[in-house]
Amino acid sequence: DAGITQSPRHKVTETGTPVTLRCHQTENHRYMYWYRQDPGHGLRLIHYSYGVKDTDKGEVSDGYSVSRSKTEDFLLTLESATSSQTSVYFCAISESSFRADTQYFGPGTRLTVL
Amino acid sequence: SQQGEEDPQALSIQEGENATMNCSYKTSINNLQWYRQNSGRGLVHLILIRSNEREKHSGRLRVTLDTSKKSSSLLITASRAADTASYFCATDRGQGGSEKLVFGKGTKLTVNP
Repeated sequence: DAGITQSPRHKVTETGTPVTLRCHQTENHRYMYWYRQDPGHGLRLIHYSYGVKDTDKGEVSDGYSVSRSKTEDFLLTLESATSSQTSVYFCAISESSFRADTQYFGPGTRLTVL
Repeated sequence: SQQGEEDPQALSIQEGENATMNCSYKTSINNLQWYRQNSGRGLVHLILIRSNEREKHSGRLRVTLDTSKKSSSLLITASRAADTASYFCATDRGQGGSEKLVFGKGTKLTVNP
């Protein structure tokens, strides 16, 4: 978890409300990722970023948006939260691209949508 | 679009025994990684093995890769209670040829003291 923080760590919200999760890194890594982890599905990529203002979709991006205005911060926004977005969200970082590099994970955010 | 699948889903052993977990994948890869996740925590990288490597060691961990069978195994020798965690394999290519790091669903290892 060194060098990566996520906030908040726990959040309970109601259906239809907007939610923003924050990932902050002090490693100056170029690549940042948002995953969700659900029982029976493992870890699935939501969005990722390959630089400031450069982002792309992962396999489960519907209902989520991201922004990266600074190297150290990567925000995940649920525009209108739904119960199906109840999950544990992990941020990860890596120095280079997917193909050969290790990813380092944050401690996670547990989100409950009622 | 799962690429790696771990087997077994759950494994329970006694302290001191060896634990073996397997990962199978579907498409060609450049590398395969293993991660550990303790309950309630983020994933921690254990080891990376490249497609041109057959075996790699790190402390009590031994990873093998058989690209002809599209499979990898993670062996933890002389297990300890602290090894209790979920273990995930991740490959650098997903189905459809896209180059993403794709995780399996994991093997939950319990080491009983």
